[in-house]
This record gives sequence, C-alpha cells and structure tokens, in this order.
Amino acid sequence: DQQVKQNSPSLSVQEGRISILNCDYTNSMFDYFLWYKKYPAEGPTFLISISSIKDKNEDGRFTVFLNKSAKHLSLHIVPSQPGDSAVYFCAAKEWDDKIIFGKGTRLHILP
Amino acid sequence: DTAVSQTPKYLVTQMGNDKSIKCEQNLGHDTMYWYKQDSKKFLKIMFSYNNKELIINETVPNRFSPKSPDKAHLNLHINSLELGDSAVYFCASSLGARETQYFGPGTRLLVL
Repeated sequence: DQQVKQNSPSLSVQEGRISILNCDYTNSMFDYFLWYKKYPAEGPTFLISISSIKDKNEDGRFTVFLNKSAKHLSLHIVPSQPGDSAVYFCAAKEWDDKIIFGKGTRLHILP
Repeated sequence: DTAVSQTPKYLVTQMGNDKSIKCEQNLGHDTMYWYKQDSKKFLKIMFSYNNKELIINETVPNRFSPKSPDKAHLNLHINSLELGDSAVYFCASSLGARETQYFGPGTRLLVL
C-alpha cells in the first residue's frame, strides 16, 4: 500500500517553461514533506521541504505547494533548465518516524 | 571531499555468497541509514542507527545485518545472498532523525 504516490512516471517540459511535479499521500499523520532529486548513478540529493503548518515554501527556482485537505503536494520549477533533467522523489514523514518515498517522476527538459 | 561514500559501487556475486557493503560519512552526523531501491524503483528504508544504536529495523530478513563500529560508519552485511536481493543499496546520514538526509552514490548489487 503506497502511502506516497507519484502517478506520473515521466514528464517532458520545454526549457524555460514551468515544470510541475505532483505527489499525493494517504497518511494524514505526515507532517513533513520533502523533494529529492536524483541523477543517474548518484544518490538522491535533498532539494526542498515543507512542514505541514505551511502551504508554500520557495527556494530560488523551486517552490513546493502543500494542500493538506487534498493530501497533495507539488513541486514547481521555474524556469526549467537542462540541468533539471533528473528523477524527482516526493517523500513524507511523521514526527520522528522514517521517510516514505514515492516511486519518482523522471523529468526531461527539452531544448 | 565526499560526504557519504559507499564501497563497492558495483557488486556482482553468486547466490548463496556472503557480502558486505561499507558506508562512511564525514559530515559529523549521528544518524545513519540503509535504503534499498528495488527493480520497481521504490526507495525503502531498511535500517537506521543513531549514535551506533539501532533505532529503525524494517521487516528485513535476518540475512541482513547492519554493523556500526562508530558514528561515522554503518556497514551492511548480507548472508546467503538470493536473487531477490539484487537492487541498489543507498546509505544516508543526517544530523538527528528529523534533519535532512544526505545519500551516498549507491551500491549496485547483482546476484546471479
């Protein structure tokens, strides 16, 4: 039973446009959400996070939005750059508990 | 100045063998983890150690035994390897259980 779902296995976006990666979760006890980025043959690297007391967190070109009532979060990348091509993992955790990862969405930035 | 390193990067072995994967972090973190990414790409936690003490142990077969000789190292020993153990194993560390986890590059294990 997947508690964190990324329903789009892949996404292609034109360079310079906005990339929107979506994530849904089922566990209402999750209070902290994260996005990790992964290049081939490397480990995931932390990108951005958001606490459940917020609905938006921004860091440069990356913004994460949280809709608790819909149990949905999204990662916006504006503008998209070639180096953004990677697999993006959505993750969530309860207080002091393990991180649960989604399956990932592969983002392709097209020239 | 690698933060979290794993050795080996690739491991090809026969069924029934025993193998170890080593992990070291030079970040001064007190919490370390082992994750498994299977063929379906799910990244799932296996173990977590805080200050050399086991704090998370998911439903992992007894053939898998983590060992933490000190805070900077968490090694994974696997006995009697099976075909289903083929996966990518990631080590990670964090400064406390609530803090950001930093991942190693992964060890690609193939059991033949």
